[in-house]
Formats: sequence, C-alpha cells, structure tokens
Amino acid sequence: NAGVTQTPKFQVLKTGQSMTLQCAQDMNHNSMYWYRQDPGMGLRLIYYSASEGTTDKGEVPNGYNVSRLNKREFSLRLESAAPSQTSVYFCASSEGTGATNYGYTFGSGTRLTVV
Amino acid sequence: AQTVTQSQPEMSVQEAETVTLSCTYDTSESNYYLFWYKQPPSRQMILVIRQEAYKQQNATENRFSVNFQKAAKSFSLKISDSQLGDTAMYFCASSTTSGTYKYIFGTGTRLKVLA
Repeated sequence: NAGVTQTPKFQVLKTGQSMTLQCAQDMNHNSMYWYRQDPGMGLRLIYYSASEGTTDKGEVPNGYNVSRLNKREFSLRLESAAPSQTSVYFCASSEGTGATNYGYTFGSGTRLTVV
Repeated sequence: AQTVTQSQPEMSVQEAETVTLSCTYDTSESNYYLFWYKQPPSRQMILVIRQEAYKQQNATENRFSVNFQKAAKSFSLKISDSQLGDTAMYFCASSTTSGTYKYIFGTGTRLKVLA
C-alpha cells in the first residue's frame, strides 16, 4: 500500500529554471494539497484541490501553478524558480468534504534547493 | 482566520520520563479538528493523535495523550515513558469541519529524548 508518492525526493535548480513536482495517491481520496515547510514557519498551504477538476489557492500561491490531472495525481509546477522557493515540499491527501476528517496522509517530501 | 501557536521551539526529556508539548489555537468555528503530527529525521509526517472539538473526552493513543481545554483554546500533547524514537519535530494543527480540510500548522517543537 503506497499511500502518497512524491517525486523527486531531492532537486537542485538554478534560478530561472522550471520544474514539476509529481504527487500520486492510491487511496481514492478526493482532496489533495501542496504545502511547503520552512524553518521556524511550520507548513504553509500553497494550493489545494478539493476534488478532481478543481484547484484553489492557499496561503502562499505566488510563483506556483498546479494541475489536478485526475483523481490520483496532483502536480506542482515552478515556472521560474527563485531562491525564495528553496524549501521542503509536501503533498498530502484526505477523504475530502463531508467525510470524517481522519487526518492527512503525507508524501515523504521533496527537498528543493534553488541556487 | 485560524491560528496555531507553539511557544516552545525546543525541548528535551530524559528517556522514560514524561514531557508535555504546548499548543494554543484560535478559531471562530464552532466545531473543528485538532491534530499532533510527528516528523522524525526521516522527514515523514506521521499522525500522532487527533481530537474532535465537540468531544469532551481527551484523546489517547498508547503513550500519547492530549489535554484539550476548549474554553482556553489549548491542546497540549503529553508523551509518557519517553523513548529515543520519540526524538522528532512535533507539529500541532487545526482544521475546520466544513469545506475542504485545509490545515493550519504551528511552527513546531523540536523534542530530543536523552539517553
């Protein structure tokens, strides 16, 4: 049972380069999320998808785009990476609206460094 | 808007002793969920314990228990019989019960269990 799978686990980018972080879940969850984790700031929501076909901005969406490709997959794209986007990125999923909130299932995270 | 505050950036405890991690929150919701997540050096986010605000009884999971004081908006985590494997960053989080389950995380408490 894989749960939530994120790729890659580590990445180094040069300023201005683009990349896509991939996330897939096999739990038939409706909702998916992207968070970033920075020292002293906890986890902050970048974007989320309540259900297949919908996406919404979270607390820190600037510089990012997302795609909910299907129910399983939710990708995060950095179009022109900046050093301020150096962070650890987590994808998570949950049952979704109306269901009992048993908590997120998290991926293992991606450590991204922008130089 | 919801906020979550963890005022103890770092703590340490001797193996087999008991430690309490503090968390306060603010919300205008009448019902909500509260969580504690553990993040060991592996970076994986692991759900420790979950509390539904309308339930008066404090949640317990083996050596982990919470002291939920709804009027004071306090949600502390008690770890009994601390083990070396409890060494981790601990995050407190809150979530609404309506709409998509977006979480607000605290800034975390780094706990070190000493042999």
